[in-house]
Amino acid sequence: EMQLLASGGGLEQPGGSLRLSCAASGFTFRNYAMNWVRQAPGKGLEWVSGLSGSGVSTYYADSVKGRFTISRDNSKNTLFLQMNSLRDDDTAVYYCAKGNAYYYENSGYYLDYWGQGTLVTVSS
Amino acid sequence: DIQMTQSPSSLSASVGDRVTISCRASQSIRDNLNWYQQRPGQTPKLLIYMAFGFQSGVPSRFSGSGSGTDFNLTISSLQPEDFATYYCQQSLTTPYTFGQGTKLEIK
Repeated sequence: EMQLLASGGGLEQPGGSLRLSCAASGFTFRNYAMNWVRQAPGKGLEWVSGLSGSGVSTYYADSVKGRFTISRDNSKNTLFLQMNSLRDDDTAVYYCAKGNAYYYENSGYYLDYWGQGTLVTVSS
Repeated sequence: DIQMTQSPSSLSASVGDRVTISCRASQSIRDNLNWYQQRPGQTPKLLIYMAFGFQSGVPSRFSGSGSGTDFNLTISSLQPEDFATYYCQQSLTTPYTFGQGTKLEIK
């Protein structure tokens, strides 16, 4: 059975850092692009970042570019999101989601499985 | 960035009703449009990919249509478990933007 277990969320002050992890199982992790999507309390979904199966190609929303870094360790089937210079508006549940293809900017791309999210709260 | 606009933002309907949710892109995205369902307190779930492709396990009462800039998600006969929020997402180019969501409520 496919599983994506996100962790690493918590309460952090503005300007601080957090590192999210997403442990994957039930599929060949290295063969698929991966994603982070967030949802602020009571709000809609916002795509945050993604990367290819190799991890070489990475992509970011403008709202996090230069502050967040996505990466993966295919030997440990784990996806990461390093979040620096946190702001109040980064407060959200962060979901990791599996893509349907190896390459990220691939026509016909979609997020076919989502894990349970991890809550990040940025507040002083 | 490509902007995605859903209408309506909320919708009240009854079990057995046929409902349609619309999604409009700010530029042509060909058929690179996906639909997700999020029930209260749950993780989003893929329903429809590439405008009209059925994700495995999704009931046949759900269907997608459209291409270019205008897309629809139709539920042919609402069931109690369909009351949820629905999001469209374009996957032509990054950032892979979502619509603001359509909340489907019981009348």
